Amino acid sequence: SQQGEEDPQALSIQEGENATMNCSYKTSINNLQWYRQNSGRGLVHLILIRSNEREKHSGRLRVTLDTSKKSSSLLITASRAADTASYFCATVRRDDKIIFGKGTRLHILP
Amino acid sequence: EAEVAQSPRYKITEKSQAVAFWCDPISGHATLYWYRQILGQGPELLVQFQDESVVDDSQLPKDRFSAERLKGVDSTLKIQPAELGDSAMYLCASSSRWGEGNEQFFGPGTRLTVL
Repeated sequence: SQQGEEDPQALSIQEGENATMNCSYKTSINNLQWYRQNSGRGLVHLILIRSNEREKHSGRLRVTLDTSKKSSSLLITASRAADTASYFCATVRRDDKIIFGKGTRLHILP
Repeated sequence: EAEVAQSPRYKITEKSQAVAFWCDPISGHATLYWYRQILGQGPELLVQFQDESVVDDSQLPKDRFSAERLKGVDSTLKIQPAELGDSAMYLCASSSRWGEGNEQFFGPGTRLTVL
């Protein structure tokens, strides 16, 4: 079963624009992580936000977490062609179980 | 930079045959995960090891799937017999017991096609 649900399922934007993806989840968590997956490859860890944090930055990435709404967002600023990939949120529950969502497929148009 | 190794990268087999996948985690990582990822979906955890012990195999179809990590280092995932519905990407990941929040490092995966 998958706890995280990303939306939108797919997103196409022009290079240079910002991309925002959302993730909703169901149960209490220890932390929430975002991963990127290029076509046919393994996943790469991008950023982790703990349940007591509200916002975190890493380079062009900004993640927010709202535990009252059980939701998170990932913002990629000034998108580049190399950002084309699928992005997954993964929730780590109180029992340390990690569950991935279905992902958002991001396509950056030249 | 240390990486998770997986082999083979691709496997084509006929249904009812046996297949096996191998994973070598990052050196020193105590936790090892096997995931199955169907095209267009997120990874689904099949089994999680802490050292050589299974800590979660609730989603592993035990009638046909088995996993072992005998010395607490590398691991093998086996399917016998393979079915058409097993066609998927099989991902291995590892994490350090000292790492932050279960950050996982993934291997490149094994893409299985069952004919």
